[in-house]
Amino acid sequence: DTAVSQTPKYLVTQMGNDKSIKCEQNLGHDTMYWYKQDSKKFLKIMFSYNNKELIINETVPNRFSPKSPDKAHLNLHINSLELGDSAVYFCASSQALAGGQYNTDTQYFGPGTRLTVL
Amino acid sequence: AQKVTQAQTEISVVEKEDVTLDCVYETRDTTYYLFWYKQPPSGELVFLIRRNSFDEQNEISGRYSWNFQKSTSSFNFTITASQVVDSAVYFCALSEANWDTDKLIFGTGTRLQVFP
Repeated sequence: DTAVSQTPKYLVTQMGNDKSIKCEQNLGHDTMYWYKQDSKKFLKIMFSYNNKELIINETVPNRFSPKSPDKAHLNLHINSLELGDSAVYFCASSQALAGGQYNTDTQYFGPGTRLTVL
Repeated sequence: AQKVTQAQTEISVVEKEDVTLDCVYETRDTTYYLFWYKQPPSGELVFLIRRNSFDEQNEISGRYSWNFQKSTSSFNFTITASQVVDSAVYFCALSEANWDTDKLIFGTGTRLQVFP
């Protein structure tokens, strides 16, 4: 029943480790996103994928690698975790960018994954 | 450059008071979209409204209303007769309708606390 789901909800790990966050949407949307919310609640886009193709990469360090096996899934893998990576990561999806249409659709967000790097 | 400003960091009201959350945006595009999202203490982001730049009609949904004014680049949100359940952080966001980028530019959020 959940529209956009993320796993895990909480992730606590040591500096230097590699971890992944998974996202799935059952809305039939073509576009998926990753956003980062820092400790001050500021939300910023990281990536977006349209039909498994990378569309936006907002100068995120190479340690972050999104992977989209199909248009319903967008996973985020993070290598060599740093203290500054601690944040809440939100996945979102929308029906935008279908065939180049100029129509920004609503982005629906997952529940978020709180990542804590010790 | 695109920018969203929510100058009110935190607002506290007593239940049943009306409260307005301000949002001012900057964009060079003539076609754009504005959004409001609610983030309750549980942490999820809940979509409230989407507005395109060609539709300046005000919108009302129950106790919620939105005032979009292009002349002042503002998209303000009013909660009438506030309730404790309205306590949350509210984000205003902007998106430009470009074919190759569809990101949301968020404001810094306004934390609303409604006391009984």
